[in-house]
Amino acid sequence: GEDVEQSLFLSVREGDSSVINCTYTDSSSTYLYWYKQEPGAGLQLLTYIFSNMDMKQDQRLTVLLNKKDKHLSLRIADTQTGDSAIYFCAENQGNMLTFGGGTRLMVKP
Amino acid sequence: DVKVTQSSRYLVKRTGEKVFLECVQDMDHENMFWYRQDPGLGLRLIYFSYDVKMKEKGDIPEGYSVSREKKERFSLILESASTNQTSMYLCASSLYSNEKLFFGSGTQLSVL
Repeated sequence: GEDVEQSLFLSVREGDSSVINCTYTDSSSTYLYWYKQEPGAGLQLLTYIFSNMDMKQDQRLTVLLNKKDKHLSLRIADTQTGDSAIYFCAENQGNMLTFGGGTRLMVKP
Repeated sequence: DVKVTQSSRYLVKRTGEKVFLECVQDMDHENMFWYRQDPGLGLRLIYFSYDVKMKEKGDIPEGYSVSREKKERFSLILESASTNQTSMYLCASSLYSNEKLFFGSGTQLSVL
């Protein structure tokens, strides 16, 4: 499958904003997703954006989509220690979702 | 809420053993998936099923098989476990293809 790429690690201080970036390759993707995985748990859908949108906001979360550059980002405002987790972006390719490698977000008190 | 349940949280098996990982979902979803998760590699799709008795290979099907005899249950089978199959295995389901996935909590399998 095509590659979905994310940086491996991000460290921020509590109260700062976090921005997690993702690049994807399939321009025909209908939806792009952000999943969160807390330690010892499965993945939980955090938010998603339809491909004809360029921004979606949901409380502290803002998703930005740049279709031209195939770039997706997740911004978490006022990051809390409970936001420490691995964040995966995913795109649909045909009948399957393809995941990035995950970005580990560490929030320092 | 959709619930996806994986039968075991941790499993330890020996090389050469036959291993069954079970997954059950309670929302009548059409599609079910098995992924493995390895550090630095993210999630890789092993197999998926879009209907009872139907299965499709994902990106890394070698060494695995699956069974979907009932809509709610999707089993992953390691015919002869090997040490390189030590991993976290995640089951997921979705109502329609391309829809958001709901994940189980994962099974950490260690093959010694």
